[in-house]
Amino acid sequence: GAGVSQSPSNKVTEKGKDVELRCDPISGHTALYWYRQSLGQGLEFLIYFQGNSAPDKSGLPSDRFSAERTGGSVSTLTIQRTQQEDSAVYLCASSLRRLAGTETQYFGPGTRLLVL
Amino acid sequence: AQKVTQAQTEISVVEKEDVTLDCVYETRDTTYYLFWYKQPPSGELVFLIRRNSFDEQNEISGRYSWNFQKSTSSFNFTITASQVVDSAVYFCALIPYSGGGADGLTFGKGTHLIIQP
Repeated sequence: GAGVSQSPSNKVTEKGKDVELRCDPISGHTALYWYRQSLGQGLEFLIYFQGNSAPDKSGLPSDRFSAERTGGSVSTLTIQRTQQEDSAVYLCASSLRRLAGTETQYFGPGTRLLVL
Repeated sequence: AQKVTQAQTEISVVEKEDVTLDCVYETRDTTYYLFWYKQPPSGELVFLIRRNSFDEQNEISGRYSWNFQKSTSSFNFTITASQVVDSAVYFCALIPYSGGGADGLTFGKGTHLIIQP
């Protein structure tokens, strides 16, 4: 079956603009995760959804970041007023269910964001 | 909080050599899961293995093998008879069995493995 898909694959934007990153999880997967990969920070966990609910948003880097998930499927990560330090690869992962973290997370190809 | 250390930033070997990638972790949780992922030049993270903290049996899958030692908090990965296609960045990761917690995977910094023909 199809894996996790993300769009766009690449995004170049100007500082101060808003961007929306989209993630389509594997069909039937109820848990969804967002991570960020940058040269300086490595792979960082941002937020996870169980169904449409995100119990803890403390991993988001700043209040310019927000995420939502609708219909238990597609998720959108929004970055408002982008800054150059937001440049990174944003990775989405999904798992069958979030049973206390025991399920394997399968990753999408990522969105490479460059803020000029 | 969890911590995963991959001390080897880059390893370069000649094809057919065996190579071991080290992973050391720290966690206060008694129950947790360990993972290895491969990130080839294409960029997508590919799942390799998941191991829970109660299962210390070593595992072998083809040319890949994993050595989990709870006593030393290590989860090392060995590739036997390496091939050029094994060239990638390899990440070790940990997640606690946290019940209602919101933890994601904690990743090491990765080891860049270069297999020369």
